[in-house]
Amino acid sequence: GAGVSQSPSNKVTEKGKDVELRCDPISGHTALYWYRQSLGQGLEFLIYFQGNSAPDKSGLPSDRFSAERTGGSVSTLTIQRTQQEDSAVYLCASSLAPLAGGLSTDTQYFGPGTRLTVL
Amino acid sequence: KNEVEQSPQNLTAQEGEFITINCSYSVGISALHWLQQHPGGGIVSLFMLSSGKKKHGRLIATINIQEKHSSLHITASHPRDSAVYICAVRPSNTGNQFYFGTGTSLTVIP
Repeated sequence: GAGVSQSPSNKVTEKGKDVELRCDPISGHTALYWYRQSLGQGLEFLIYFQGNSAPDKSGLPSDRFSAERTGGSVSTLTIQRTQQEDSAVYLCASSLAPLAGGLSTDTQYFGPGTRLTVL
Repeated sequence: KNEVEQSPQNLTAQEGEFITINCSYSVGISALHWLQQHPGGGIVSLFMLSSGKKKHGRLIATINIQEKHSSLHITASHPRDSAVYICAVRPSNTGNQFYFGTGTSLTVIP
């Protein structure tokens, strides 16, 4: 497909388990973002990847959260020892190459999200 | 305190009305985005602004950098415009972090 895809679309897990969420960005997009949207809350930035540069992890809420991006394409967000407060919709977005200076100000294309429920 | 404030929080309009959604922010920014989130959660990026004004179809977005304010206007509103509209800013001194408003929920009644 031409858009950003995410899998799974829904994930229900038990407290304490680890989960992996996957994002396939649009082909050719070098910038990739992870966000989460908790129930009744606004969007929250988690992490940003740009090409082969070190990711910007400034939005990750705790060290239980980590993300990888392999080959500059697919990304995986891992949450270890999940807690009930991790329940949210996790959204991935991608955009084209950044302007000079490493900042991506291009339009972001969002995936459909993964709804995570931690029981 | 939220770095991005949107108003109104909720808005109901009759089909055909002109709609304005406002976004104020408290930090210097390199870019501002307007996003649209339909029921069911899909998010679409409408505009990215760093200055001035952009128009796309019935949508117009403006930004005043000095006043730290942006507006999203919808002309001749239609029920399919019903969605949550979110303002997001990229601060100019924090790399790739984005700050988001809590959104404006718009319902357009036929």
